Amino acid sequence: EAQVTQNPRYLITVTGKKLTVTCSQNMNHEYMSWYRQDPGLGLRQIYYSMNVEVTDKGDVPEGYKVSRKEKRNFPLILESPSPNQTSLYFCASSSLVGSAEQFFGPGTRLTVL
Amino acid sequence: AQSVTQLDSQVPVFEEAPVELRCNYSSSVSVYLFWYVQYPNQGLQLLLKYLSGSTLVESINGFEAEFNKSQTSFHLRKPSVHISDTAEYFCAVSDITGGGNKLTFGTGTQLKVEL
Repeated sequence: EAQVTQNPRYLITVTGKKLTVTCSQNMNHEYMSWYRQDPGLGLRQIYYSMNVEVTDKGDVPEGYKVSRKEKRNFPLILESPSPNQTSLYFCASSSLVGSAEQFFGPGTRLTVL
Repeated sequence: AQSVTQLDSQVPVFEEAPVELRCNYSSSVSVYLFWYVQYPNQGLQLLLKYLSGSTLVESINGFEAEFNKSQTSFHLRKPSVHISDTAEYFCAVSDITGGGNKLTFGTGTQLKVEL
């Protein structure tokens, strides 16, 4: 089954404790992206990657890091989480065809205390 | 840069009634237009998209959207809603000239279908 998986689905942590949210896709997609969803703000792009070892900032990259060492994986790293990073996070992937559908993971709900 | 406006944050409607969810966009370049749906506790799924050609596009579950270039709108409609249509709906655009992969989303419209 074609899918994007994220782990963990739920995470409660404390300020300053480094964490990683994993994202993996099995569709051989070149393009992968991270979004955060906040009430009243919709989804905003954090980082994206157009291929292995190619990453770039989205609209709200501050406080986040990503890496793309393998085509299928695109982890999101919060090296020193803060309460304003409490949010619902989605990973998405698609082919590089611009009109292509983006496939979204199930989401990771992060709470930073 | 693009922006998307969804004026209605919530739309309550009775089952079998028609519904329209409004979407307006702003862009200095040509765009692709999308509607995504998010069911409770799930990720987003593509509902329909406009790329080119006929300005009216349809989904498999009875939704349709019409691209209106002069009004820069892409409103979503369904003539008769069902309880199962309760979800949050996001309008999104992407820049054709920039490759089209980056999506800019609206703030979402929560559709609540009641008996």
